[in-house]
Amino acid sequence: ELKVEQNPLFLSMQEGKNYTIYCNYSTTSDRLYWYRQDPGKSLESLFVLLSNGAVKQEGRLMASLDTKARLSTLHITAAVHDLSATYFCAVADYGGSQGNLIFGKGTKLSVKP
Amino acid sequence: GAVVSQHPSRVICKSGTSVKIECRSLDFQATTMFWYRQFPKKSLMLMATSNEGSKATYEQGVEKDKFLINHASLTLSTLTVTSAHPEDSSFYICSARARDSYYEQYFGPGTRLTVT
Repeated sequence: ELKVEQNPLFLSMQEGKNYTIYCNYSTTSDRLYWYRQDPGKSLESLFVLLSNGAVKQEGRLMASLDTKARLSTLHITAAVHDLSATYFCAVADYGGSQGNLIFGKGTKLSVKP
Repeated sequence: GAVVSQHPSRVICKSGTSVKIECRSLDFQATTMFWYRQFPKKSLMLMATSNEGSKATYEQGVEKDKFLINHASLTLSTLTVTSAHPEDSSFYICSARARDSYYEQYFGPGTRLTVT
């Protein structure tokens, strides 16, 4: 059974600081997603990582994937208040017959001035 | 492209009534649609998967007689919460997968259900 763990679950940062969110998963997969969710809203797709060593960057966010370690990271550079949201990673479940996504518990990020 | 809509966005109903939520893929054909439930400050939990023209596959612990799912066309899936109770209050999110994209899911904006 595929399990996805994120840490930390809560993150309070000061503006201008850097930090990393980690996403570990338990069984083989080479497709990992990062989403952002604002309060009361649905998911906004941030990154799709498709292969070992993949790295993608968008603004102050950079995501990477290490399929051998079964680890993805979401790095935040020089955080700003607008980045405050909950971030989810999700992993494609090859064991599932329907190609389901298994979600982590989410990391609630709060960026303070 | 790849837009998914949900209707209604918010609904309040009385205990014992039934509520239907629609999920539509607006600019692509969705061979598979997924229904998720999200409790406040929690992650998304997959409820069921529906393929066009066939019965939905429900996740363990999800009552199929309570959460009726119909995927009658390649652009529409519906979730009906029957005999709703306050504990069914939640945020329901659908996603859709296109015919040629096995793992890419496009998420709808969600439906906030409150049962009084």
